[in-house]
Amino acid sequence: KAGVTQTPRYLIKTRGQQVTLSCSPISGHRSVSWYQQTPGQGLQFLFEYFSETQRNKGNFPGRFSGRQFSNSRSEMNVSTLELGDSALYLCASSLGQATSTDTQYFGPGTRLTVL
Amino acid sequence: GNSVTQMEGPVTLSEEAFLTINCTYTATGYPSLFWYVQYPGEGLQLLLKATKADDKGSNKGFEATYRKETTSFHLEKGSVQVSDSAVYFCALSPIQGAQKLVFGQGTRLTINP
Repeated sequence: KAGVTQTPRYLIKTRGQQVTLSCSPISGHRSVSWYQQTPGQGLQFLFEYFSETQRNKGNFPGRFSGRQFSNSRSEMNVSTLELGDSALYLCASSLGQATSTDTQYFGPGTRLTVL
Repeated sequence: GNSVTQMEGPVTLSEEAFLTINCTYTATGYPSLFWYVQYPGEGLQLLLKATKADDKGSNKGFEATYRKETTSFHLEKGSVQVSDSAVYFCALSPIQGAQKLVFGQGTRLTINP
């Protein structure tokens, strides 16, 4: 079974631009979560989508948004990029069970650099 | 709130040494606990998990036991290899909002031959 895939793997943007990242979950998984990883803040939860609806949300500004399609693929968008948005963005997929035993599997990440 | 605290790194060991990476947590109720590993330039790989008290997760020679009395989930391996060099993350999945994983700060492990 194929794992979680993310595209692109690397991105370079300038301040003020916007960016869209894509994530394809493991076949059969209905939940997609997004995380930001930085050296200073570590791994932080952005949001989770399940059945095309945002089900959980972290503490990030509204510049960070996402969506999920009917095939469970998800996109994350960051508008008006800031230097501090430079990070590794990780996508994770899971069955989406509403219990703590639900296990997330991560993709390789998209490395975003904002200049 | 929910939080995870890991021992600070970096940790440097010689090949075949015994490894322990400490992890303690604070959470409401009894969350599930995970160890993930990140190799250079890659995403996170699930190493092992435990979903209830006294469960032992194990994989590739690594083990961790869910201890509710000490709210801990320490990672151990009896004999490390150079290929175990990576960053290790302890995480919890809360009772409410199960997909909102809460991570520790990560522990960088380097194994010297």
